Amino acid sequence: GAVVSQHPSWVICKSGTSVKIECRSLDFQATTMFWYRQFPKQSLMLMATSNEGSKATYEQGVEKDKFLINHASLTLSTLTVTSAHPEDSSFYICSAFLYGTDTQYFGPGTRLTVL
Amino acid sequence: GENVEQHPSTLSVQEGDSAVIKCTYSDSASNYFPWYKQELGKRPQLIIDIRSNVGEKKDQRIAVTLNKTAKHFSLHITETQPEDSAVYFCAASMRGSNYKLTFGKGTLLTVNP
Repeated sequence: GAVVSQHPSWVICKSGTSVKIECRSLDFQATTMFWYRQFPKQSLMLMATSNEGSKATYEQGVEKDKFLINHASLTLSTLTVTSAHPEDSSFYICSAFLYGTDTQYFGPGTRLTVL
Repeated sequence: GENVEQHPSTLSVQEGDSAVIKCTYSDSASNYFPWYKQELGKRPQLIIDIRSNVGEKKDQRIAVTLNKTAKHFSLHITETQPEDSAVYFCAASMRGSNYKLTFGKGTLLTVNP
């Protein structure tokens, strides 16, 4: 149980285009999901908290107009990287919070490369 | 906000030896402490967790201890195997913070056969 999927697993795009990443909780409902960014050999950096039916809460320094988050259902949150640039290239990982356990379960991540 | 320090950043042990990774946290209100294992290019996977009302928890070769007074917690892996090689992250969170996790910087564990 507590499986989280993420799609796509990798994406290559041209500078200036937008990319959408989906995060789904497959066997449980998740009113709260989180989006992280991870650079090589570094820890996970929380970008934002996504709450179903309300606006996302962004961490300090994360541009909300660049990283659009939508949590339209109890099993799906999306992250859209708008007007992507090479410096946005990274490993993006989502997690879904399972109430009653205090635990976050992670998706497999999306490797974004912006050319 | 919460700050989690993790040591060491790298750890190399011989197969069969024990490995210990230590973390400290700053916010005494934190009450949930998970440990994640991440293999290269893969998702972090929860391996064990502990809550503030418990001092120690064990699951086969893995154990976690928590000292609330000193605000530190440790991961203990006994009888290490090559497949234990990975990056391990400790984290802390508290109810009321929207369950946000604050991660340590990670420990690269290498188990040499």
